[in-house]
Amino acid sequence: GAGVSQTPSNKVTEKGKYVELRCDPISGHTALYWYRQSLGQGPEFLIYFQGTGAADDSGLPNDRFFAVRPEGSVSTLKIQRTERGDSAVYLCASSLFGSYNEQFFGPGTRLTVL
Amino acid sequence: QKEVEQDPGPLSVPEGAIVSLNCTYSNSAFQYFMWYRQYSRKGPELLMYTYSSGNKEDGRFTAQVDKSSKYISLFIRDSQPSDSATYLCAMKDLQGGSEKLVFGKGTKLTVNP
Repeated sequence: GAGVSQTPSNKVTEKGKYVELRCDPISGHTALYWYRQSLGQGPEFLIYFQGTGAADDSGLPNDRFFAVRPEGSVSTLKIQRTERGDSAVYLCASSLFGSYNEQFFGPGTRLTVL
Repeated sequence: QKEVEQDPGPLSVPEGAIVSLNCTYSNSAFQYFMWYRQYSRKGPELLMYTYSSGNKEDGRFTAQVDKSSKYISLFIRDSQPSDSATYLCAMKDLQGGSEKLVFGKGTKLTVNP
């Protein structure tokens, strides 16, 4: 079956611009997560949705970052006034509800801020 | 000090070798322990998932958890060139109802034919 998909696969933008990154989770998965992976590092948690609501947004680095999941399926990560330090791979994962359930990751969106 | 420490390597071994990968952690609240494999320019994929201290085996892979020492390991037997990837340990802290994973840096493994 289809896995987690993310678009675009690559995004190049200029410092100061606004970007949106999209995640399509596995059908039926109520939990959705965003992580950020910098070069040579492990993924770092950004935000976790259970259904439409953000259950934990403690990983968002500042108020330039915002994420939505209005209908409980597709999610969009929005970054305002991008900075060069935002350059990273943004990973999305989804899972069924429940602590023992596996998080399935998408291929990521590689964001480059020039 | 980071919550999860993992030696980034790189680690290079000949085909057929036994590989040992390790992570230490500081947060006693971690309850679930995972190993993910990540190929270049791909998302992580789950290899092993354990809850309690002890060993769990799946084919050529064995995961060990020692909660008293806050130490987890992944062993790969009869390593193959297709095992060449970055291996990430990850842990889950359920405090506050979050399901977030905390990852190590990852260890880059190369298995040479």
